Amino acid sequence: GESVGLHLPTLSVQEGDNSIINCAYSNSASDYFIWYKQESGKGPQFIIDIRSNMDKRQGQRVTVLLNKTVKHLSLQIAATQPGDSAVYFCAENSNTGKLIFGQGTTLQVKP
Amino acid sequence: SQTIHQWPATLVQPVGSPLSLECTVEGTSNPNLYWYRQAAGRGLQLLFYSVGIGQISSEVPQNLSASRPQDRQFILSSKKLLLSDSGFYLCAWSTPAGLGNDQLFGPGTRLTVL
Repeated sequence: GESVGLHLPTLSVQEGDNSIINCAYSNSASDYFIWYKQESGKGPQFIIDIRSNMDKRQGQRVTVLLNKTVKHLSLQIAATQPGDSAVYFCAENSNTGKLIFGQGTTLQVKP
Repeated sequence: SQTIHQWPATLVQPVGSPLSLECTVEGTSNPNLYWYRQAAGRGLQLLFYSVGIGQISSEVPQNLSASRPQDRQFILSSKKLLLSDSGFYLCAWSTPAGLGNDQLFGPGTRLTVL
């Protein structure tokens, strides 16, 4: 069945380093992907999205990479800051038209 | 600008009691609306979604129900809560362009059933 998952449940990085959070998806027909950030006790916040006709999209300090060949999505955060500490979810637009969320990766930023 | 509200922020209810969580959206018309549940340390589970007034689709069989009495109001209910209903409940909305577009989430309601 459809699934969106993450390779690592927890990622710990040093402040100032770059972070890479990975996500694998299973539905090759998915054409839209989103990354969300969820801080403790709050609802998820939209970070960045990408459509399947693109391989890369950049935002402010964040970059999303899409590799359709291996069905892999990644979120890169440059110069990670303590405020980046949160759970990060990838989401996939499945062929049912609804979003399917991965289980999340916890990013811990060490000062 | 569009905003989404949920209340209450936290709720502690005894087993067997009823439940009503409310979600409202401002600044948009005819949104798609969603209810999710998130267990501690887990991902998001879609419970219900609605594409219009009175139109509710259920994703999983459960002890909960949803209603959409007005265009920008979405209500999650239960007649008798179970312990397993505890969790973080999130309401979200998206534009009517499609169910797969990006969704914007509310602040959530933390429900504890004792």
